[in-house]
Amino acid sequence: DTGVSQDPRHKITKRGQNVTFRCDPISEHNRLYWYRQTLGQGPEFLTYFQNEAQLEKSRLLSDRFSAERPKGSFSTLEIQRTEQGDSAMYLCASSLAGAGGYTFGSGTRLTVV
Amino acid sequence: SQQGEEDPQALSIQEGENATMNCSYKTSINNLQWYRQNSGRGLVHLILIRSNEREKHSGRLRVTLDTSKKSSSLLITASRAADTASYFCATDATNFGNEKLTFGTGTRLTIIP
Repeated sequence: DTGVSQDPRHKITKRGQNVTFRCDPISEHNRLYWYRQTLGQGPEFLTYFQNEAQLEKSRLLSDRFSAERPKGSFSTLEIQRTEQGDSAMYLCASSLAGAGGYTFGSGTRLTVV
Repeated sequence: SQQGEEDPQALSIQEGENATMNCSYKTSINNLQWYRQNSGRGLVHLILIRSNEREKHSGRLRVTLDTSKKSSSLLITASRAADTASYFCATDATNFGNEKLTFGTGTRLTIIP
């Protein structure tokens, strides 16, 4: 494993379109997290999975957002009907339950025009 | 919402000097972590300190934790140009750890060669 991979690195989309991001965590890690970061701010928690189960969702995750981790490996984050306020860096991280420290991916930068 | 506040928001020092960043938080924690982020990139885990620890070292990094004051500090000794980045503290306030992190607003560190 070379770390957490996120795809795409950049996405520009028109308002109202749907977008999907993918995250491939470190294979030994059973926990996977999604965070959102806007310019000049720290990352904000969106949701996390343990294996394939989504255990917590932030109130930031409106009904236009959905995340899945169908086989307990990679995860997808979909945003439907994008809005300009969705423009941000979307960060994925993984960890082992009970162990300290997360490994973050390089993020997907979304720009909604 | 951001749990922590880093201080200062920005810091510029000469190469070779020491850099100290502070973090304050609001709730009881399981552990506190420091991360580094280079511009437009993902976060890199630097160090984790548990709530029952007071000080921890890793290479040129020294972290202290004062749970009575709900504050932590990160000291980088003998700074290098490559240390230029944003530094974030993140608190884990969950019972068992590694469920979610709450990040501060970050300190932007610039090392002047």
